Amino acid sequence: GDSVTQMEGPVTLSEEAFLTINCTYTATGYPSLFWYVQYPGEGLQLLLKATKADDKGSNKGFEATYRKETTSFHLEKGSVQVSDSAVYFCALTRTSGNTPLVFGKGTRLSVIA
Amino acid sequence: DAEITQSPRHKITETGRQVTLACHQTWNHNNMFWYRQDLGHGLRLIHYSYGVQDTNKGEVSDGYSVSRSNTEDLPLTLESAASSQTSVYFCASSDPGTGSNTGELFFGEGSRLTVL
Repeated sequence: GDSVTQMEGPVTLSEEAFLTINCTYTATGYPSLFWYVQYPGEGLQLLLKATKADDKGSNKGFEATYRKETTSFHLEKGSVQVSDSAVYFCALTRTSGNTPLVFGKGTRLSVIA
Repeated sequence: DAEITQSPRHKITETGRQVTLACHQTWNHNNMFWYRQDLGHGLRLIHYSYGVQDTNKGEVSDGYSVSRSNTEDLPLTLESAASSQTSVYFCASSDPGTGSNTGELFFGEGSRLTVL
């Protein structure tokens, strides 16, 4: 079945450091890919998405590119802030049909000043 | 503003008791989902619904049930609570949109359940 694998955390970075959180997927066909973020004490919210190969999703300084050849959707940010401390989830859904999202296990990011 | 609310936000119960977690959304979304979040497991799908009177099992549905009698609500019931069901539960909703699934879920703030 469809699945998502993320790098395990926690990840601890200093403010202004470069961030990469790896995400690879297994799916039939051509899924849509997503990154969700969960701030402390809150539910998840959509950070960015890409619906076809080579698409780049971006939001709040974060970026991720849909790489079909490597089945990856790595999340990057050039300069993290303390306010980026959160849990990040990679997810996918098949574009054919109305199917639930499949989530990775999440990666906790802590940014220290 | 449209929103999705869960209640109670925190609950402590005893093994064997029936528990119901409420989820109410004002987005008028057809799709609603229940997930549980556990350390080391991320988010796992319990049950979901694509409309009134429609319910489907997710990957961890044993011991849980849902019913969908209207668009706004999808209550999650634990028939006989077990310690393994101690978790944080998230309800979410989405609009399937036209054509392909846009995939954007709107989440509630979660319900923390402790089963003693």
